[in-house]
Amino acid sequence: KNQVEQSPQSLIILEGKNCTLQCNYTVSPFSNLRWYKQDTGRGPVSLTIMTFSENTKSNGRYTATLDADTKQSSLHITASQLSDSASYICVVIASADRGSTLGRLYFGRGTQLTVWP
Amino acid sequence: DVKVTQSSRYLVKRTGEKVFLECVQDMDHENMFWYRQDPGLGLRLIYFSYDVKMKEKGDIPEGYSVSREKKERFSLILESASTNQTSMYLCASRSLRVTRKGEQFFGPGTRLTVL
Repeated sequence: KNQVEQSPQSLIILEGKNCTLQCNYTVSPFSNLRWYKQDTGRGPVSLTIMTFSENTKSNGRYTATLDADTKQSSLHITASQLSDSASYICVVIASADRGSTLGRLYFGRGTQLTVWP
Repeated sequence: DVKVTQSSRYLVKRTGEKVFLECVQDMDHENMFWYRQDPGLGLRLIYFSYDVKMKEKGDIPEGYSVSREKKERFSLILESASTNQTSMYLCASRSLRVTRKGEQFFGPGTRLTVL
């Protein structure tokens, strides 16, 4: 069964500290993996995309890693800011299926990050 | 920039009413999606559309229908709203162009409350 599991479910850190969010998946065949940030009351916004051949990708203070062998990804946030408070959603895209050149998306339930001053 | 808009940010309806949620995207994307998001459950796919006049059931289509008469517009219809359909509804669109690697762009969401 294709699944995406995220941990922890919620996390509270102090401003300026670093944190790491985890994503484990069983989706196969794998195409790529995205991390989304969702602010309260808003739609998710893409942070990074990881393809099969990529191990690490950075977007400012956000660094995503991917281990395709163990089917694990992480999102590391450096020097956290109050504006990082949000839900972070891991999305795994399967390889193409019928009717489309792009495959089905599988969503994790998200990690709710709260940054305190 | 891609823009996905939804007709309402907040909506309050009564049980049994017919509800229309509208979504419009301005980037000529082929694929469009409707999700609902509930605390602790994450995003769940209701319906999606590969292209104009095409629709496919997602994981939780019961109680919903959709319409895609034009490429830029994807409507979600609740024929007879029920209280268990109180939720945040998110629309998304996706390009088939390989250069975008399947990135989905989400609308701001509609918070629907059914009384």
